[in-house]
Amino acid sequence: AQSVTQLGSHVSVSEGALVLLRCNYSSSVPPYLFWYVQYPNQGLQLLLKYTSAATLVKGINGFEAEFKKSETSFHLTKPSAHMSDAAEYFCAVSGNTDKLIFGTGTRLQVFP
Amino acid sequence: DSGVTQTPKHLITATGQRVTLRCSPRSGDLSVYWYQQSLDQGLQFLIQYYNGEERAKGNILERFSAQQFPDLHSELNLSSLELGDSALYFCASSPQGGRVADTQYFGPGTRLTVL
Repeated sequence: AQSVTQLGSHVSVSEGALVLLRCNYSSSVPPYLFWYVQYPNQGLQLLLKYTSAATLVKGINGFEAEFKKSETSFHLTKPSAHMSDAAEYFCAVSGNTDKLIFGTGTRLQVFP
Repeated sequence: DSGVTQTPKHLITATGQRVTLRCSPRSGDLSVYWYQQSLDQGLQFLIQYYNGEERAKGNILERFSAQQFPDLHSELNLSSLELGDSALYFCASSPQGGRVADTQYFGPGTRLTVL
């Protein structure tokens, strides 16, 4: 069985500051991990995914995430936040099936 | 724009009623997934179809059913609606099905309000 835990339902940063959104996973099989972003009144858009190749994964809009097996983590980072990054972010896992198991989401606020 | 379309965008109905949500996948995608997003349950996988066949089932109530047609569009039918069914329903599609690393492309969702 798979699950993800996103620590922090709300994260606030200043524009230009580092963004760190935390995700820990649990999986009985080698996991595939995803980060999706949801802007207000829109669907989910894939930011990046880990598919057991490189452990550091680069995505769109300057985001990246590092798969750390020893810590069962897949935290999302961006060096410098932009106002347009304000959205809800979801971590998801899949394992031996392709259905996605989502975390509860983290709402990112960016202050000027 | 993901290429996945969902209609209607909004739906308001009464308890006990039945509604149908429609999804057209991206051109060429064979798999369709349905997810429910609600405040108390979060984002939950409901059901997956691959090339017309049911592939996987998640937390889908017996009052809910889905199908995928030969042209690959899918419909999610919700019956005997309850207040708790109010949620955002997303459809996603992927090229294949069963390949766990395939990206799923999400539609804009249908917001269902049950009064």
